[in-house]
Amino acid sequence: DAGVIQSPRHEVTEMGQEVTLRCKPISGHNSLFWYRQTMMRGLELLIYFNNNVPIDDSGMPEDRFSAKMPNASFSTLKIQPSEPRDSAVYFCASKSGDTNYGYTFGSGTRLTVV
Amino acid sequence: QQQVKQSPQSLIVQKGGISIINCAYENTAFDYFPWYQQFPGKGPALLIAIRPDVSEKKEGRFTISFNKSAKQFSLHIMDSQPGDSATYFCAASKGYSSASKIIFGSGTRLSIRP
Repeated sequence: DAGVIQSPRHEVTEMGQEVTLRCKPISGHNSLFWYRQTMMRGLELLIYFNNNVPIDDSGMPEDRFSAKMPNASFSTLKIQPSEPRDSAVYFCASKSGDTNYGYTFGSGTRLTVV
Repeated sequence: QQQVKQSPQSLIVQKGGISIINCAYENTAFDYFPWYQQFPGKGPALLIAIRPDVSEKKEGRFTISFNKSAKQFSLHIMDSQPGDSATYFCAASKGYSSASKIIFGSGTRLSIRP
């Protein structure tokens, strides 16, 4: 299995631009989670989906952030417009209810907004 | 509201020594307590996990000790090796299903001196 695949690995964008982060979960996993990691705030859960349906988006910082999961094999996290304080590493993770092994995380997208 | 408190923030241990990281939780409904290990440039990976019906779980050099009455749990790394140098996150969740979300502690940066 290729694991959770995130793209791009690095993204540098100018303030005000739209940014789209992508995630392909492990096949067969029915839950998907988006996390943001910063030195100051650690790992923050932004939103998670179960069977492609958003379950809890209370961690989404503001309306500039949106996430979609149009099918079981793809999710996007969009920031529009981006701001310098959005600079962080964004992780996607997936999980199956049939496993003891917790989440499987992707390698993350390092976002820099200048 | 910080539901899972982790300490210390950073830790330096000599090779061969014992590394100990502590966590405390607030929500008595939590019933799954995993530890994740993160190397630079990678996503967190599940290391070991415990359910509250046992007081200790050991896997190789890694042991979780769990104190339900005190709402505390800790990770012990025996015979610490330079390859153990990483950031460690304790975590907790309610339920075990694919729909359960994991709340992470703030992380401990562990350095093992050769």
